[in-house]
Amino acid sequence: QVQLKESGPGLVKASGTLSLTCSVSGDSITGSHWWAWVRQPPGKGLEWLGEIYDSGSTNDNPSLKSRVSLFIDNSNNRFSLRLSSVTAADTATYYCARIDINWGIDSWGQGTLVTVSS
Amino acid sequence: SYELTQPRSVSVALGQTARISCGRDNIGGQYVHWYQQKSGQAPVMVIYRDNNRPSGIPERFSGSNSGDTATLTINRAQVEDEADYYCQLWNSGTVFGGGTKLTVL
Repeated sequence: QVQLKESGPGLVKASGTLSLTCSVSGDSITGSHWWAWVRQPPGKGLEWLGEIYDSGSTNDNPSLKSRVSLFIDNSNNRFSLRLSSVTAADTATYYCARIDINWGIDSWGQGTLVTVSS
Repeated sequence: SYELTQPRSVSVALGQTARISCGRDNIGGQYVHWYQQKSGQAPVMVIYRDNNRPSGIPERFSGSNSGDTATLTINRAQVEDEADYYCQLWNSGTVFGGGTKLTVL
């Protein structure tokens, strides 16, 4: 049973960089899945931020205007998100997830709330 | 904005059938997946590849996908089905619908 767990600061200053790591257990991060970040502002819907493959290939949400950087650490079975130039609008619960392009998202982290302070 | 169009809310009487739509041009040509999210919890997959239920999901959940609309159907809706529902597909990246709040009356 694969498990994902997000870690990182729960409070980030406006104009700074949000950094989160997702640790994966129960499955190798190298394989046939994409590893994704999804966020959810309070009271709003899910927003896909981007995803990374074990080769380092990435897809990201163009609406975030290149503020997203994704990294993968195959040796330690984890992947990371950096979101630059944050504002209050980036306050959200951030989830990491495992995606199969044909089978959907079968595993989610528990989510971590990140608040951007002014 | 969302590339997959869902109604913001759907209401259903207890024990009746709820249908939640997800629209996009020619969505029938792609696999659609559905997630249930209850308050304060991470989403859970309830349908994958248009019409398949993961292990542990009740049989009252079903899906279809044709033309420009995918549909999640919940037969004999129960109080515990009250939640937000999201459709999702992959097209050189992940796409989510805006979500539908299901209320069971």
